[in-house]
Amino acid sequence: SQQGEEDPQALSIQEGENATMNCSYKTSINNLQWYRQNSGRGLVHLILIRSNEREKHSGRLRVTLDTSKKSSSLLITASRAADTASYFCAPNRDQTGANNLFFGTGTRLTVIP
Amino acid sequence: GAGVSQSPRYKVAKRGQDVALRCDPISGHVSLFWYQQALGQGPEFLTYFQNEAQLDKSGLPSDRFFAERPEGSVSTLKIQRTQQEDSAVYLCASSPGQLGETQYFGPGTRLLVL
Repeated sequence: SQQGEEDPQALSIQEGENATMNCSYKTSINNLQWYRQNSGRGLVHLILIRSNEREKHSGRLRVTLDTSKKSSSLLITASRAADTASYFCAPNRDQTGANNLFFGTGTRLTVIP
Repeated sequence: GAGVSQSPRYKVAKRGQDVALRCDPISGHVSLFWYQQALGQGPEFLTYFQNEAQLDKSGLPSDRFFAERPEGSVSTLKIQRTQQEDSAVYLCASSPGQLGETQYFGPGTRLLVL
């Protein structure tokens, strides 16, 4: 399978707490991307981490990548109600011309005000 | 600037009817992708264009599905003789270049086949 698999499937936290979501994949990758999807909307790109990077930050987001374990994590700090959404990881295959993203079923995050 | 737009946003079709879904990518974006998202699932890849060339259509579920991008900008996904299992959200995405970059998604077209 080329897709990413997110864990847990669902996560419920209080506003202000941190949320951690994990992603595992099976193929070698060029990069791995995280996306957010609010209910009934399209996906919004959050962050892209390349295979030679181990950690990347963007605002309240922190992404790690461990290519030896074929895993990634997304940490959202100081969560807000507006962070309630589904989060997907998408490994991008290490293959010339490969552009397609393969999404898992996502982690459904609920932040309780 | 404008993002990716899709039309219609909602489409109800009777089983057996043909439908056409439109995607307007971000101006100048070379790559265009179509995905199908069933309820409660992640998006699944359907097909990919680089300019007007359809480089990968391995995700199209059957020969009832057809996509085109004749001038390398607007794309149309056509589904012939729709079936109930075709009910899903169809997402279009574009990216500036050719290799593994961030994709910018449209809001999707929600198709319901009765």
